[in-house]
Amino acid sequence: EDQVTQSPEALRLQEGESSSLNCSYTVSGLRGLFWYRQDPGKGPEFLFTLYSAGEEKEKERLKATLTKKESFLHITAPKPEDSATYLCAVSNAGNNRKLIWGLGTSLAVNP
Amino acid sequence: GAVVSQHPSRVICKSGTSVKIECRSLDFQATTMFWYRQFPKQSLMLMATSNEGSKATYEQGVEKDKFLINHASLTLSTLTVTSAHPEDSSFYICSARDQGAVETQYFGPGTRLLVL
Repeated sequence: EDQVTQSPEALRLQEGESSSLNCSYTVSGLRGLFWYRQDPGKGPEFLFTLYSAGEEKEKERLKATLTKKESFLHITAPKPEDSATYLCAVSNAGNNRKLIWGLGTSLAVNP
Repeated sequence: GAVVSQHPSRVICKSGTSVKIECRSLDFQATTMFWYRQFPKQSLMLMATSNEGSKATYEQGVEKDKFLINHASLTLSTLTVTSAHPEDSSFYICSARDQGAVETQYFGPGTRLLVL
């Protein structure tokens, strides 16, 4: 069964303290892995799409990497405004290409 | 680019009334749109997949007669909650998949529905 597991569930960092969020997945025929950021009371904001193992993408303080089993979202020198819930999802080859979601990591960055 | 809007952002209605939520892709054409529901501190729950010009595909357990979806054009999908009850109160979010991009879904800002 296709599944996405995110860890940790919650993470509290000091400003400037770099860390990584994990997204482990099992899926039959990966078409894409997606990272989103969601602020309270808002819709998810698209961050990255990764398609194949070894792929990396960067945006400001964020860097996403992908292997055949997991993806990491690295946050370098985070700022308080990076506080949000980070969601990971995968799309498989069948199933009308629906997204299979993890439960998210709630990140709090203290000033 | 890839902006999705939703209207209204917040609605309060009386039990028994119907509420329509609009989802628009502003700068791209979306052959497929999705409707989600999100409960507090939970992840997104897919309600239905909407393809332009055809009937929506509903997820198991979602009542198609209660949640009417229309995807009349490549930039507009609507969700109508019919005869709303307090248990329908939730955060509804739409997303759209750019027909030019393989997989990525872009999300609207969400609609907070409160049924009294």
